[in-house]
Amino acid sequence: DGGITQSPKYLFRKEGQNVTLSCEQNLNHDAMYWYRQDPGQGLRLIYYSQIVNDFQKGDIAEGYSVSREKKESFPLTVTSAQKNPTAFYLCASSILNRNTIYFGEGSWLTVV
Amino acid sequence: SQQGEEDPQALSIQEGENATMNCSYKTSINNLQWYRQNSGRGLVHLILIRSNEREKHSGRLRVTLDTSKKSSSLLITASRAADTASYFCATGQAGANSKLTFGKGITLSVRP
Repeated sequence: DGGITQSPKYLFRKEGQNVTLSCEQNLNHDAMYWYRQDPGQGLRLIYYSQIVNDFQKGDIAEGYSVSREKKESFPLTVTSAQKNPTAFYLCASSILNRNTIYFGEGSWLTVV
Repeated sequence: SQQGEEDPQALSIQEGENATMNCSYKTSINNLQWYRQNSGRGLVHLILIRSNEREKHSGRLRVTLDTSKKSSSLLITASRAADTASYFCATGQAGANSKLTFGKGITLSVRP
């Protein structure tokens, strides 16, 4: 089946740790995105990439890092510099210059 | 920054009734989209309306766009319990490629 796969679904992070959320898509989309969702805050854009080996900061990039070494993959690392990382993280992709985006099922990150 | 503001924040209706949700935005847009999110899941695209369109239908969904008032409405007719979800409007700006800005969402509860 074509789609976007995020893993893991649930992840727990200790204080001071970096963690990486995986996002893989087999839709042959050029553009990929990471959003953060907090209760009552809607979705906020963390990073996006429109082409391999290139990415841009979104509205809340501080404390996060990404890479885009392959078209299919756009992993997000939540670094220890992100002071409040507990949230629901959504990966998405789209055809370049098309506004409709397709989402994965999300990953819950909790700091313990 | 949040572009779309949905109204109301929460809506509870009886099965069979119509549900109307509104979205207002601040700057010029290229298109406006509505997405649906079931609890703990990813978002699913429902419908897109372009800035030169006034109304669009898809099954039980009807979307209107008034660019002079910078507002849109989503009407779900003959609601079902399975329509219970959060609904988000998202705006795409001209020249911004595929980057969307989401509102905070409306929680719709449809009572059986």
